[in-house]
Amino acid sequence: EVQLLESGGGLVQPGGSLRLSCAASGFTFNNNAMSWVRQAPGKGLEWVSSISNSGDTTPYADSVRGRFTISRDNSKNTLHLQMNSLRVEDTAVYYCVKCGGFCQYKHFDVWGRGILVTVSS
Amino acid sequence: DIQLTQSPSFLSASVGDRVTITCRASQGISNYLAWYQQKPGKAPKLLIYAASTLQSGVPSRFSASGSGTEFTLTISILQPEDFGGYYCQQLNSYPLTFGGGTKVEIK
Repeated sequence: EVQLLESGGGLVQPGGSLRLSCAASGFTFNNNAMSWVRQAPGKGLEWVSSISNSGDTTPYADSVRGRFTISRDNSKNTLHLQMNSLRVEDTAVYYCVKCGGFCQYKHFDVWGRGILVTVSS
Repeated sequence: DIQLTQSPSFLSASVGDRVTITCRASQGISNYLAWYQQKPGKAPKLLIYAASTLQSGVPSRFSASGSGTEFTLTISILQPEDFGGYYCQQLNSYPLTFGGGTKVEIK
C-alpha cells in the first residue's frame, strides 16, 4: 500500500522556520516526482512546489519562492520542505503528494493525511 | 498563470440527482486536467485524470469530459457519500493551479 506520512508541523512565530518531512513507502520513490500542496483554514487548495524524481527540477509558487526549499533524499524515501521567513498567511495544512510519474502533464495520485502549520505570535 | 474558474461554488442536490460541475481555464490546457474529491477533515482524493480517465477504484457514476478550456465533472446518480468538496486542477504548466472548489451538499 502506498503511504505518505508528513511530520514536522506545529506552531511557529512570524519570521521563523520549520522543516516538513514526508516519509514515503509502498512504491519506488525515485521513479516519481513529488509535490507539496497546502490548504489554509476554510480555503481551497494551493500548489506550493514540486520536485522531479532526480531532484534537479524544483518549480515554486510565487507566494513561497525564495522562502521555501523543496528537496528529497531518494536513499531514505523522504521528501522535505524547508520553510523560512514564515508569514501568518502561510498557516495551512500541508499535504505531501505523489505525482503519477511527472507532476506536469500527469496528476497527483496519492496524498498524505496532511500536517498543520500555524504561524502566529 | 492559468486561472481555473469552477461553477457553481455550492450546490445542494438530492440523492439520485444528476450533478454537473464546470471548470473553465483561462487559456487552453489540452486535456491536462484532473478532478479531486475532498471530504471534511480529509485529504483530497483523485477521481479523474487526463480530463476523462477514471482513477482506479472510483465508482463509475463519476465521469468527466472536456478539452481546451471547458471541462465538466458529472455524478450520474448522486449518493449520500458524495457530499464534500470537488476541485479541478490544471497540469499543463506551472504553477499547477486549482479551481476554487465546489461544495456539494446532500439535501
